[in-house]
Amino acid sequence: QVQLQESGPGLVKPSQTLSLTCTVSGDSISSGSFYWTWLRQPAGKGLEWIGRIYSSGSIKSNPSLRGRVTISLDTSKSQFSLKLTSMTAADTAVYFCARGRPYTGSYYFDSWGQGALVTVSS
Amino acid sequence: EIVLTQSPGTLSLSPGEGATLSCRASQSVDTSFLMWYQQKPGQAPRLLIYGASNRAAGVPDRFSGSGSGTDFTLTISRLESGDCAVYYCQQDVGSSLIFGGGTKVEIK
Repeated sequence: QVQLQESGPGLVKPSQTLSLTCTVSGDSISSGSFYWTWLRQPAGKGLEWIGRIYSSGSIKSNPSLRGRVTISLDTSKSQFSLKLTSMTAADTAVYFCARGRPYTGSYYFDSWGQGALVTVSS
Repeated sequence: EIVLTQSPGTLSLSPGEGATLSCRASQSVDTSFLMWYQQKPGQAPRLLIYGASNRAAGVPDRFSGSGSGTDFTLTISRLESGDCAVYYCQQDVGSSLIFGGGTKVEIK
């Protein structure tokens, strides 16, 4: 059974860049075709899709984040990563990584990491 | 811009009762792209329903999804204490994935 685990700093200063990594275990990140995805959830609020990288390497990110997002895939380490620039207090949230399983032209999330709390504060 | 509106915001019911959760899209959406997730406090979401009406592996048949166009429903029959959670609908709108604001289910 695949498992995902987020890692990275819990505290980021305003204007800095957040770097998070999701390590995939239990199944090779290279096996099959999946959408490796980042999402986030501010405390007490709903879910927001940040972006995804497909197994082929194609990337799509949320237009509302206006080019601040970089997602990459490292199959040799069975990891995928998120960089989010120009962090502000509004980016304080629990960040989740998830595996998207393709379904009729879209995908659904069948495996999730436990989530990593990121706080933006000086 | 498509918006998903979930109602009610909170549902408070007794064990054994049935729950009906609504997810309404601001314009017609692809039924195949409508998913439902359950999120318990302090946990990651869990997939319940994909393609509007298909139960995910391991999900009890007390959970069912239906709908098309702009109106979708998640029905939970015979509520149990373990069903306390926030339920989210999700849709792929092409440029991004969007989520509804969630419905919180409380068991009295």
